[in-house]
Amino acid sequence: AQSVSQHNHHVILSEAASLELGCNYSYGGTVNLFWYVQYPGQHLQLLLKYFSGDPLVKGIKGFEAEFIKSKFSFNLRKPSVQWSDTAEYFCAVIPSGGYQKVTFGTGTKLQVIP
Amino acid sequence: DAGVIQSPRHEVTEMGQEVTLRCKPISGHDYLFWYRQTMMRGLELLIYFNNNVPIDDSGMPEDRFSAKMPNASFSTLKIQPSEPRDSAVYFCASSARLAGVRNEQFFGPGTRLTVL
Repeated sequence: AQSVSQHNHHVILSEAASLELGCNYSYGGTVNLFWYVQYPGQHLQLLLKYFSGDPLVKGIKGFEAEFIKSKFSFNLRKPSVQWSDTAEYFCAVIPSGGYQKVTFGTGTKLQVIP
Repeated sequence: DAGVIQSPRHEVTEMGQEVTLRCKPISGHDYLFWYRQTMMRGLELLIYFNNNVPIDDSGMPEDRFSAKMPNASFSTLKIQPSEPRDSAVYFCASSARLAGVRNEQFFGPGTRLTVL
């Protein structure tokens, strides 16, 4: 079965700082990868996704993620965070094909200080 | 489309009572998921359906929990009897298989359950 690790549980940044959140997965086959964001008191929303092609994926609100197959990683980045980016971020993995279920990471809480 | 609809949004009940959470997925989506989110355990997948059929219920915590999907537009998650440790936010999500690839999940607003 696949697993997802998000090593940073809580990150605190000042506005305009750069962000990189780590996501590593374990699975031997082809996967589809996602980053979701959950703003305080709200439900999860998709930030970006990777299925195939260019490993550098651009999402909404200036976020991007890079799939590095050799490292089994899909790190999320943003060059300059804003206070409104304060939220919890979840990485998710789905093996391609079949019924295999999605696996979410444990989430990273990001707090941006004005 | 209205997105994934869940009801009720908030539920407060007493220990031992039966609780039923409801979900209407996005029309045309053939996958439906039930999640539980707590501070201690994070986001947990409880069960998911494909074309109304339960595929994996290994995340259902115990026999007190049951889920059904009688048709493509409705699912329920039932807890009977409820216990205080069941207090959590329960999310329903749906997704569709697009060009052979299962697409992103769309989440509902969640039901915040408090068991006293």
